[in-house]
Amino acid sequence: SQTIHQWPATLVQPVGSPLSLECTVEGTSNPNLYWYRQAAGRGLQLLFYSIGIDQISSEVPQNLSASRPQDRQFILSSKKLLLSDSGFYLCAWSVDVRPYTFGSGTRLTVV
Amino acid sequence: TQLLEQSPQFLSIQEGENLTVYCNSSSVFSSLQWYRQEPGEGPVLLVTVVTGGEVKKLKRLTFQFGDARKDSSLHITAAQPGDTGLYLCADVYSSASKIIFGSGTRLSIRP
Repeated sequence: SQTIHQWPATLVQPVGSPLSLECTVEGTSNPNLYWYRQAAGRGLQLLFYSIGIDQISSEVPQNLSASRPQDRQFILSSKKLLLSDSGFYLCAWSVDVRPYTFGSGTRLTVV
Repeated sequence: TQLLEQSPQFLSIQEGENLTVYCNSSSVFSSLQWYRQEPGEGPVLLVTVVTGGEVKKLKRLTFQFGDARKDSSLHITAAQPGDTGLYLCADVYSSASKIIFGSGTRLSIRP
């Protein structure tokens, strides 16, 4: 069966520090991978999506970047965090027309 | 850029009451999905609707897709505390392999 792992679950980082959030998928090949951000109690904003290794599409210009070094690994990064980067970050995967499966999320607080 | 607006933004009702929440798009949906999300977790897919005028039922939940495929409603009969959560509508862009989410309706059911 397919599973998605996202870590860490919570993270508190100072302004100006770097960020690396990792997401891995097991049990499937060549998935589409996604990073979303959610403000408290609000909808999800698509940040990046990837249809293959090293193929990244950015939806919103911002302080973040994404990379896909392996087929089932998706990494969200920042060189210098801003206060506005705080939020709930969700990774998701899909294959063909199957519904999305979301990870359990990372709660990032920038202080 | 497509905008998905959901209303109301917040809704708090008594257990046993009925309710309806709405999703409106600035453009025609490719394919509409409804999700429910609980705090600290990723969204979980409830239903997918594709055809204008389509109605789907999931136990006490009734999903209706507008004839023009630009709006949808979710009706819950005899709400229960377990229905509490954030309800999100989303448009599925199969050609671009991505999902755009609405702003969400936060539902609270009081015992």
